[in-house]
Amino acid sequence: DVKVTQSSRYLVKRTGEKVFLECVQDMDHENMFWYRQDPGLGLRLIYFSYDVKMKEKGDIPEGYSVSREKKERFSLILESASTNQTSMYLCASSLSESGANVLTFGAGSRLTVL
Amino acid sequence: GQNIDQPTEMTATEGAIVQINCTYQTSGFNGLFWYQQHAGEAPTFLSYNVLDGLEEKGRFSSFLSRSKGYSYLLLKELQMKDSASYLCAVKDSNYQLIWGAGTKLIIKP
Repeated sequence: DVKVTQSSRYLVKRTGEKVFLECVQDMDHENMFWYRQDPGLGLRLIYFSYDVKMKEKGDIPEGYSVSREKKERFSLILESASTNQTSMYLCASSLSESGANVLTFGAGSRLTVL
Repeated sequence: GQNIDQPTEMTATEGAIVQINCTYQTSGFNGLFWYQQHAGEAPTFLSYNVLDGLEEKGRFSSFLSRSKGYSYLLLKELQMKDSASYLCAVKDSNYQLIWGAGTKLIIKP
């Protein structure tokens, strides 16, 4: 089974703190994604990556950055956390860009910024 | 703009059948996905439709009409474990996924 592991299920941070959310997948997937999930809204793409050291902005990249130094690891960074970044963050990976391109998600990281 | 519409919440009875609709307006179409998400858990893949028609997979079926911009997920012989949110997503002309807000399905005994 493909596994996508997110390092923290629950985090509480203060405004202005730097936050790292780590995601690791174990099936050699090329593509990795960071989404946020908020009540009443569809998943919104923050950043994605199709290869090591490659990153592309999604729909809502402001206030976030990412790092992909190794194929299996994709990190989301909040340089200076703000209360409007309180959300559930979902990491996902997939094997190829075309065709079904099924996403495998991690269990999520629920971030609260006070 | 791009838009995916699905009902916010539905209630059904154990053992019954329920149909969850999804309508979409996107710039191009390269497939439609349904995912299931139990509360507090990761979304998991249910189905993928790229051609018109019905795809059946056990108790779950998914239908697509590209001309109408419409899909539905049909769940038969409902079980309590089917209580979850069901997410509809469309891949647009740039192969980016556009997500609906999800339908929360409540199953009652």
